Amino acid sequence: QQPVQSPQAVILREGEDAVINCSSSKALYSVHWYRQKHGEAPVFLMILLKGGEQKGHDKISASFNEKKQQSSLYLTASQLSYSGTYFCGTEEGNKLTFGGGTRVLVKP
Amino acid sequence: EAQVTQNPRYLITVTGKKLTVTCSQNMNHEYMSWYRQDPGLGLRQIYYSMNVEVTDKGDVPEGYKVSRKEKRNFPLILESPSPNQTSLYFCASTTWTGNSYEQYFGPGTRLTVT
Repeated sequence: QQPVQSPQAVILREGEDAVINCSSSKALYSVHWYRQKHGEAPVFLMILLKGGEQKGHDKISASFNEKKQQSSLYLTASQLSYSGTYFCGTEEGNKLTFGGGTRVLVKP
Repeated sequence: EAQVTQNPRYLITVTGKKLTVTCSQNMNHEYMSWYRQDPGLGLRQIYYSMNVEVTDKGDVPEGYKVSRKEKRNFPLILESPSPNQTSLYFCASTTWTGNSYEQYFGPGTRLTVT
């Protein structure tokens, strides 16, 4: 079952922060995060394996709460280059299922 | 340089004409997979392969075949394409190295079936 992402879209001014959430109705063992710019392939950002784990990629970080079956991606002091669509992905066995995506637009 | 290549990048074909989209990686990764991306439906996994001669179905395998005869190559075969297979296709290559997880996507193949 596809994880649910929220919000579907967010518009930010450069330097502002945003949070993207990813939740699942099934138990989560790992969460992947990706960014895809328009017309390009997705780019892997990070994977979180354990509940409570947090990771970072530049000023983009994420947390994983396995009890709540959700993960959050934090865009801190956003830059123009952060614009794109962010996807979470959840693993079941060896299959990877993606959320519907969150469109992020960072304006000057 | 880590690279996943796909060919062709664009293809317009007719219903029923068999086609193959090739995918090749230069990183000696074990795990490779195919996804299709459609507006409103996001990315969906078609097939994946854990290693040579080991393949399994993803969420939307109907109408597709794959093979993994060599580690570097993972072609996607559409035996009898139909218009509902018009989509943007991505191949990806993945590995775990100690505590490090790597995943790279190919540039995509835009397929139109008329």
